[in-house]
Amino acid sequence: ETGVTQSPTHLIKTRGQQVTLRCSSQSGHNTVSWYQQALGQGPQFIFQYYREEENGRGNFPPRFSGLQFPNYSSELNVNALELDDSALYLCASSMGGLAGSNEQFFGPGTRLTVL
Amino acid sequence: GQQVMQIPQYQHVQEGEDFTTYCNSSTTLSNIQWYKQRPGGHPVFLIQLVKSGEVKKQKRLTFQFGEAKKNSSLHITATQTTDVGTYFCAGRGTGGSYIPTFGRGTSLIVHP
Repeated sequence: ETGVTQSPTHLIKTRGQQVTLRCSSQSGHNTVSWYQQALGQGPQFIFQYYREEENGRGNFPPRFSGLQFPNYSSELNVNALELDDSALYLCASSMGGLAGSNEQFFGPGTRLTVL
Repeated sequence: GQQVMQIPQYQHVQEGEDFTTYCNSSTTLSNIQWYKQRPGGHPVFLIQLVKSGEVKKQKRLTFQFGEAKKNSSLHITATQTTDVGTYFCAGRGTGGSYIPTFGRGTSLIVHP
């Protein structure tokens, strides 16, 4: 167990809806990264939050947004859901932001299905 | 943008045989990490390589980082059924772009 938790475990939404996914980082970690993992693919970096600020973003549109709270937990929000958004969403907890380049501890993920 | 290619996509082995997966980046990397993901699970960190030509071992697993810091490999000696899973490499760029890029992964299937 990594100590990183995510909720919900599974979620079914319809196209056009909005979704919020949550992640609690491991105790002592100040960095949360979010990834999208489509079936049969490697995780794709969405963005990272370090000390409550976005600290790097991958090739995802603005309808993917996030927050990090003072306790370092984080939310991923996706607006105007599309069918291609169906995937496993993983958060990863670490220290030191992107430049820290340290070991990442992944949560169990949220499986999102968009119908 | 940075691309990380990983081969093979799948590998079937008999228990006791060796296994190797290769990772190649289109650009020079600052470091590379390796992860293992069991079926239905999440990625679990295995190791990080930083130095050119670095070799690290973890029991039956040997990790190498190329001299040019553009390629890496993971070799498992005498596979066991517990080694089943998908192995991912994740490379981080240089020059201030530290966004990690994961390879597509190599799925290892071990037949008893």
